[in-house]
Amino acid sequence: QQQVKQSPQSLIVQKGGISIINCAYENTAFDYFPWYQQFPGKGPALLIAIRPDVSEKKEGRFTISFNKSAKQFSLHIMDSQPGDSATYFCAAIVGGSYIPTFGRGTSLIVHP
Amino acid sequence: DAMVIQNPRYQVTQFGKPVTLSCSQTLNHNVMYWYQQKSSQAPKLLFHYYDKDFNNEADTPDNFQSRRPNTSFCFLDIRSPGLGDAAMYLCATSRSRGSPNYGYTFGSGTRLTVV
Repeated sequence: QQQVKQSPQSLIVQKGGISIINCAYENTAFDYFPWYQQFPGKGPALLIAIRPDVSEKKEGRFTISFNKSAKQFSLHIMDSQPGDSATYFCAAIVGGSYIPTFGRGTSLIVHP
Repeated sequence: DAMVIQNPRYQVTQFGKPVTLSCSQTLNHNVMYWYQQKSSQAPKLLFHYYDKDFNNEADTPDNFQSRRPNTSFCFLDIRSPGLGDAAMYLCATSRSRGSPNYGYTFGSGTRLTVV
C-alpha cells in the first residue's frame, strides 16, 4: 500500500520553465516532508523539507508548497535548468519515527 | 568528503553465488539502513539497525542478511542471488533523534548485476 502518492511519473520541461511535482498522503501522523534529488548512478540527496505548520518554504529556485487540509504538498522548481534533470522523490516521516516513506519518484528532464 | 561510502560501486556476481556489499560512515549516526532500488522505482527499505538492534522489514526475503560489527560499518549479504536481485543497493544513515530530517544521508550505492 503506497502511503505517499507522487505524480507525475515523468516530466519534461523547457529550460527556464517551472517544474511542478505533486505528492499526496493519507496518514495524518506524518509530520515531516522532505524532498530528495537523485542523479543517475548516485544516491538520493536531501533537497528541501517542510513541516506541516508552514505552508511554504523556499530555498533558491526550489519551493515546497504544503496544504495540510488537502494532505498534499508539491515541489516547484523555478527557472528550471538542464542541470536539474534528475529523479525527485517526495517522502514523509511519522512523528516520533525516523524512517521516511518514499513516493515512487518523478523523472525530470529539462531541455536546453 | 564522502560521509557514507559504499563499496564496491559495481558488483557482478554469478547466480547463486553469495555476495557481500559494504557500507561505512563517518557521521557517527546510530541508525544504518539498506535499501534496494530497481530502475525507475523508489528505494525499498530492506532492514535497518538502530544501534545494534536489527529491524527487518516484513517483506524482505530471507535471502538477504545484514551485519553491523560496529557503529561505522554495515554489510549486506545476499546468500543466493537470483536474477531478480539485480538492482542498486543503497546504504543510508541517520540519527534517531533531532530534527530536521534526522541527518538522513545516502551513499552512492552499489549496482549489483547477477549473471
